[in-house]
Amino acid sequence: AQSVTQLDSHVSVSEGTPVLLRCNYSSSYSPSLFWYVQHPNKGLQLLLKYTSAATLVKGINGFEAEFKKSETSFHLTKPSAHMSDAAEYFCVVKASGSARQLTFGSGTQLTVLP
Amino acid sequence: DADVTQTPRNRITKTGKRIMLECSQTKGHDRMYWYRQDPGLGLRLIYYSFDVKDINKGEISDGYSVSRQAQAKFSLSLESAIPNQTALYFCATSDSGQGNEKLFFGSGTQLSVL
Repeated sequence: AQSVTQLDSHVSVSEGTPVLLRCNYSSSYSPSLFWYVQHPNKGLQLLLKYTSAATLVKGINGFEAEFKKSETSFHLTKPSAHMSDAAEYFCVVKASGSARQLTFGSGTQLTVLP
Repeated sequence: DADVTQTPRNRITKTGKRIMLECSQTKGHDRMYWYRQDPGLGLRLIYYSFDVKDINKGEISDGYSVSRQAQAKFSLSLESAIPNQTALYFCATSDSGQGNEKLFFGSGTQLSVL
């Protein structure tokens, strides 16, 4: 079985300050991990993915995430928030070898204050 | 034009009515999915299809049915709608093969069942 927990349902930062969105996962097998972003009234878009290569993964729009097996974490970070980063972010896990579905976290709403 | 198109964008219906949500894609992907999104619960998989002759139940398929009319078309039906099926529904596609877990989402259908 696999699961993912997003530790904060809402995060608020000021423009220009760092962003940290936290995600812990549980998986019986070597997982693939993803972050998706959902802007208002839009579908989800892939930000980045980890699939057992480098543990530090760089994504679009300056986001990156680090896979830490010992902590079962895959936190999403960005050095400097921009107003356009305001959106909902989903951490997603997929068990290795599974032909089935992805398991989505419950989401973190990011607010960026001017 | 969008790569993954969902119709309608919004729908209000009454309890007991049959309703169909449609999805079409121009990405040429084999795999198609239907998810529902509820506040605080993330996305949950309803049904998925890996090709035209392959239909699989997801984690919450009760009360739903699907039809894969062609590679590019995947429709979701609610045979007898009930209020707790009020949600935002997303269609998604992905390419087949290992490592191709990137999902491409439509813009969603907001369904309200009164």
